[in-house]
Amino acid sequence: DARVTQTPRHKVTEMGQEVTMRCQPILGHNTVFWYRQTMMQGLELLAYFRNRAPLDDSGMPKDRFSAEMPDATLATLKIQPSEPRDSAVYFCASGLRWQGGSEAFFGQGTRLTVV
Amino acid sequence: GNSVTQMEGPVTLSEEAFLTINCTYTATGYPSLFWYVQYPGEGLQLLLKATKADDKGSNKGFEATYRKETTSFHLEKGSVQVSDSAVYFCALTNQGGSEKLVFGKGTKLTVNP
Repeated sequence: DARVTQTPRHKVTEMGQEVTMRCQPILGHNTVFWYRQTMMQGLELLAYFRNRAPLDDSGMPKDRFSAEMPDATLATLKIQPSEPRDSAVYFCASGLRWQGGSEAFFGQGTRLTVV
Repeated sequence: GNSVTQMEGPVTLSEEAFLTINCTYTATGYPSLFWYVQYPGEGLQLLLKATKADDKGSNKGFEATYRKETTSFHLEKGSVQVSDSAVYFCALTNQGGSEKLVFGKGTKLTVNP
């Protein structure tokens, strides 16, 4: 049963600490998205990759957030330093040859709490 | 830019009631339209999709028709069940454009027995 795997599922950290969230996309998928979900803002696109290359990270605060794909099986989202306003659920999603009609498969998310 | 507007929730219905969740969009070109569903504690799952005008997407008793003239993609179900309680998101992506998936803010549906 192919699925997107995100780790950790939950993370509580203190303000100022570095946070790394990991995502394993579905094998063979060539597009990876990172979304942030909060009650106030809903789902916000932070970044997305095609064939491991970043295509758009305009939704990401550049001073503290970074997203990478070291290889085809791993995507990472880092926050350094973390702030309480970063508390949210972070979702990774992957898709194959995003041609406008393809499905994006979402992971279960990482719930981040910054205290 | 592309955007999606869907009706604010929450929506509370009794079992077997008729459901409509409104969704309108703004997009350049020819977007594909989607409805996703999120159950508590889970990620989003695709519910249905339509890729061109007048297409009807359907799944699990839910339906939505791509209306280019009104730029709408309203979600409907004739008889809801308690198990349909979830948050529903309308979304679009632009074929041939940036292809980002843009979501509405979500509508929380609660169905009571």
